Amino acid sequence: QSALTQPPSASGSPGQSVTISCTGTSSDVGTYDFVSWYQQHPGKAPKLIIHDVTKRPSGVPDRFSGSKSGNTASLTVSGLQAEDEADYHCSSYAGSSNIVFGGGTKLTVL
Amino acid sequence: QAQLQESGPGLVRPSETLSLTCSLSGGSVSSRSYFWSWIRQPPGKGLEWIGDIFYSGTTYYSPSLKSRVSISIDTPKNQFSLKLSAVTAADTAVYFCARRVGGGWYYFDYWGQGTLVTVSS
Repeated sequence: QSALTQPPSASGSPGQSVTISCTGTSSDVGTYDFVSWYQQHPGKAPKLIIHDVTKRPSGVPDRFSGSKSGNTASLTVSGLQAEDEADYHCSSYAGSSNIVFGGGTKLTVL
Repeated sequence: QAQLQESGPGLVRPSETLSLTCSLSGGSVSSRSYFWSWIRQPPGKGLEWIGDIFYSGTTYYSPSLKSRVSISIDTPKNQFSLKLSAVTAADTAVYFCARRVGGGWYYFDYWGQGTLVTVSS
C-alpha cells in the first residue's frame, strides 16, 4: 500500500489533455511544496519531469505541468503524444527526512 | 552529467542479507550538493524510497525499513552501498540508485538503470 494515492490508469487521445492526481495527507502533500513527478517507460529508469510542485527540469517539454490544491497534487499532460505513454509516479516529502511515493499511474495514448 | 550503475547478486536467499553497490561516474559522491539514494520497485508496483546518504556519512532511512537497512559510502571508490538484512519474498524488486538534490530539496534528478533482486530459496 503506497503512501500517496494515484489512479491506476488514465488515457487520452493524441492532442488531448489528461490530468493525473496524487492524493496524500496533511502530513505530506498538504504541508510541503516538495511534490515531484517521474515518467517511467517500460523497463527503464524513472525520469524526473516535475519537481517542487510546478518546476520543470531543463529539457522537459512545457506540455507537462504540475499543480497542487490541499492534499492533492496533479500532473497535466497537454497535447498528448504517443511518446507520452508511460507510467507516472508522484512523490512528496513527508517530514522527518522521509520521502513517500504513489503507486503509479499507467497513461495510455489511445 | 552523472551516471549511476547498480551492481550485486540477482538472487538472495530468504533470511539472508541483500547487498548492492552503486558506482558513480561524471561526478563525485564527495559532493556537498547531493545525497545518494536507494529506491526500489516491486514487480508491477510503485516506487518505494529506501534511504539516503550524504558525503559525511549521515544517513536517512524509510521508517518502514529502518530496522533492516544500512547505507554506506566509499569516497575513494566513488561508490555507495545498500545492505538489507533478513530479506523475504516481499523484498523482491528492482533496486535503483539515484542522486537527490541537497540543500533542502527532495527530488531525484539522476537514476541508475536498476537491478532486479529476487528473494527465493
